[in-house]
Amino acid sequence: GNSVTQMEGPVTLSEEAFLTINCTYTATGYPSLFWYVQYPGEGLQLLLKATKADDKGSNKGFEATYRKETTSFHLEKGSVQVSDSAVYFCAQTSGTYKYIFGTGTRLKVLA
Amino acid sequence: EAGVAQSPRYKIIEKRQSVAFWCNPISGHATLYWYQQILGQGPKLLIQFQNNGVVDDSQLPKDRFSAERLKGVDSTLKIQPAKLEDSAVYLCASSLIRTSGYNEQFFGPGTRLTVL
Repeated sequence: GNSVTQMEGPVTLSEEAFLTINCTYTATGYPSLFWYVQYPGEGLQLLLKATKADDKGSNKGFEATYRKETTSFHLEKGSVQVSDSAVYFCAQTSGTYKYIFGTGTRLKVLA
Repeated sequence: EAGVAQSPRYKIIEKRQSVAFWCNPISGHATLYWYQQILGQGPKLLIQFQNNGVVDDSQLPKDRFSAERLKGVDSTLKIQPAKLEDSAVYLCASSLIRTSGYNEQFFGPGTRLTVL
């Protein structure tokens, strides 16, 4: 069945370091792909999305490119800040509503 | 615009007790979802409503979990009786109805349930 696999955390970085969080998926057909972020004590918020192959989603300095050939959607940011500390979830949907989430990757950025 | 509201934020109960969670979606959002997020895992869909009808409850443990959405707005999720493995964060989300493409889901802050 459809699934999402993302790298284990926690990921600990110094401020201004480069961030990569890996995400791969399995799906029948061509899903839409998402990154959600969950700040402490809050619900999930959509960070960025890509709905077809080679699309690049971007928001708040984060980027991810939909790679059909490698079934991947890795999250990157060139220079992280302490305020980026959160849990990041990769997700897919192959229909109009049903989301499948990865297990989440906790990011901790140190000043 | 107000977001998705949930209450309570935290609940501690003993096993075999009952508990109920409440969700108020974003105004105008016809679709409402309940997710269970166990520590260290991603959210898992329990039930989806469209207006006051159930669209998908395939992963809802119906022997102990129930949910309703009267009048197509607020929703309650109940667990009766609770088990230790029900300890989790229960997330509510809502979205507009779309016939194609994807639905962006907006999440509430969640209710953290601890079953002792």
